[in-house]
Amino acid sequence: AQSVTQLGSHVSVSEGALVLLRCNYSSSVPPYLFWYVQYPNQGLQLLLKYTTGATLVKGINGFEAEFKKSETSFHLTKPSAHMSDAAEYFCAVTSSGNTPLVFGKGTRLSVIA
Amino acid sequence: KAGVTQTPRYLIKTRGQQVTLSCSPISGHRSVSWYQQTPGQGLQFLFEYFSETQRNKGNFPGRFSGRQFSNSRSEMNVSTLELGDSALYLCASRAGDRNTEAFFGQGTRLTVV
Repeated sequence: AQSVTQLGSHVSVSEGALVLLRCNYSSSVPPYLFWYVQYPNQGLQLLLKYTTGATLVKGINGFEAEFKKSETSFHLTKPSAHMSDAAEYFCAVTSSGNTPLVFGKGTRLSVIA
Repeated sequence: KAGVTQTPRYLIKTRGQQVTLSCSPISGHRSVSWYQQTPGQGLQFLFEYFSETQRNKGNFPGRFSGRQFSNSRSEMNVSTLELGDSALYLCASRAGDRNTEAFFGQGTRLTVV
């Protein structure tokens, strides 16, 4: 079975500071990994995905994530936080296109002016 | 291309009633998945339909059911509602077996009183 652990249910950063949201996964087969963002009372929006190939993945809104197989990690980063980045972020894993996504519990990001 | 559409956006029901939620996937997408999101449990997978057949099922009681029509639109039904069924219900669509990323609708906020 696959699982995702997101370290830190709440992360607070200052505007302009580095954003680092941590995600570790467990999978017995090569994983497909995703980061989603959710704004209040909205659905989930795909930020970026790792399927195969390059381990550093760039997404929308200046976010990127690096797949590290040896550490079973897929941490999300952004060099400079903006107020509009305040939201909940979810890491997810699946093994194929016909198996469900398994989500972490989410990390709420607050950005302080 | 239109995104995933869920209707209604908000629902208030009484304990013991039943409810039907609707989801129209992105045009051409054949897979529809349903998730329940609550503050305590996070995002939990309910079931997935692909070409009108239930392909995957999560760990929910039989009160939760779904179906998919030939145009890929999907409905989920919850019978004998309980207070604990209050949640945001999210629908996600995927193009097919080779496509791992899921695109989410805005969700239906169900409140059971």
